[in-house]
Amino acid sequence: EVQLVESGGGLLQPGGSLRLSCVASGFTLSGYEMYWVRQTPGKGLEWVAFINSGGETTYYTDSVKGRFTISRDSAKSSLYLQMNNLRVEDTAVYYCARDMGLYFISWYLDLWGRGTLVTVSS
Amino acid sequence: EIVLTQSPATLSLSPGERATLSCRASQSISSLLAWYQQKPGQSPRLLIYDASTRATGIPARFSGSGSGTDFTLTISSLEPEDFAVYYCQQRSTWPLLTFGGGTKVEIK
Repeated sequence: EVQLVESGGGLLQPGGSLRLSCVASGFTLSGYEMYWVRQTPGKGLEWVAFINSGGETTYYTDSVKGRFTISRDSAKSSLYLQMNNLRVEDTAVYYCARDMGLYFISWYLDLWGRGTLVTVSS
Repeated sequence: EIVLTQSPATLSLSPGERATLSCRASQSISSLLAWYQQKPGQSPRLLIYDASTRATGIPARFSGSGSGTDFTLTISSLEPEDFAVYYCQQRSTWPLLTFGGGTKVEIK
């Protein structure tokens, strides 16, 4: 089955760190660009980070630049999001998602994981 | 940043009826728009990309239209499984992707 499965979410205090993981199965992760997208009841869906298939190119939304790092390990079919200096406003369900294009970037997301909840609260 | 405004916020319809959802962009995005469906407790599912192309496995009752700033998702005859929240997403300003606020299609 083609799927993405996230893990690593949890409850933590402002200023803390967390590493999210996303394991891909049923397809070859190395052929695809990947994203992290978060969702909150208040702000809806928000793109967070992007990494190209080779891992050399990354982009981030402004609010997480300098705090979050996206990375990937093709040997482990895994995508990661290292989240440092977390803020209350980072509270959300975090999804990993796959770009629709195989060996090209479409900037559309055709496969999403079930998400992992990150709660930042004092 | 391009803002996508979806309307209405909620659409109350009966199975078998036609649903028409709107997404308006704050500036022209050509046809670089996608639609997603999200059911409670599930992740979004890609329905339409490039404004009018159905994604793999999406039924023909879903269609998209529009270009520039005004876009429409039409569900020709609502099935029970179509009651969900629908989001639009633009890729004109990649890598900054933005989503609309969503339209909930509920059973009347």
